[in-house]
Amino acid sequence: GAVVSQHPSWVICKSGTSVKIECRSLDFQATTMFWYRQFPKQSLMLMATSNEGSKATYEQGVEKDKFLINHASLTLSTLTVTSAHPEDSSFYICGSDRRTNNEQFFGPGTRLTVL
Amino acid sequence: DAKTTQPPSMDCAEGRAANLPCNHSTISGNEYVYWYRQIHSQGPQYIIHGLKNNETNEMASLIITEDRKSSTLILPHATLRDTAVYYCIVRVRVYDQGGKLIFGQGTELSVKP
Repeated sequence: GAVVSQHPSWVICKSGTSVKIECRSLDFQATTMFWYRQFPKQSLMLMATSNEGSKATYEQGVEKDKFLINHASLTLSTLTVTSAHPEDSSFYICGSDRRTNNEQFFGPGTRLTVL
Repeated sequence: DAKTTQPPSMDCAEGRAANLPCNHSTISGNEYVYWYRQIHSQGPQYIIHGLKNNETNEMASLIITEDRKSSTLILPHATLRDTAVYYCIVRVRVYDQGGKLIFGQGTELSVKP
């Protein structure tokens, strides 16, 4: 399958700081990328959908000013958690859409811990 | 909300076939059925997808009923490494640019020696 990478794989930060997570599709162009959040023992929750060159579409209840998404190219999307707090600690996963065959591939995830 | 219903957990003996059911009674005519799995603390892994015909690849087979209201994922010879949470998802098309994958709770498959 196609390869999607995320960086960093884990991060620990102090409350009030901002954290940027990168998602890259390594061997295909991703017109659309998706960001998910997963809390322990729960399923993935879709946060937002981003299309290259346009603003992200956020799911209901997700604060767009807190979770900044930039999709600057067909292979890179970033999620910035601004002014992170302990309740933002979670596993963040990106998904990239490969249009040629309607498949969506996922990154390995980023574990964020806010102290 | 997820449009699928799956049993929360299943066990399977190593080497035997694992048959994971999924109900999607409200599926629309242009919606696909996707299966992913997630091994602990990793990103989901694509397994297979289909519209109305049965599909098979190197990982699994997907059997979709004629009325498309349910499907079954078959892992023909389960191994211990197949222990994971399996998600059955109906894909919603958005602006014809791909669709959102809305995850339900999935089935936690335990393959036992």
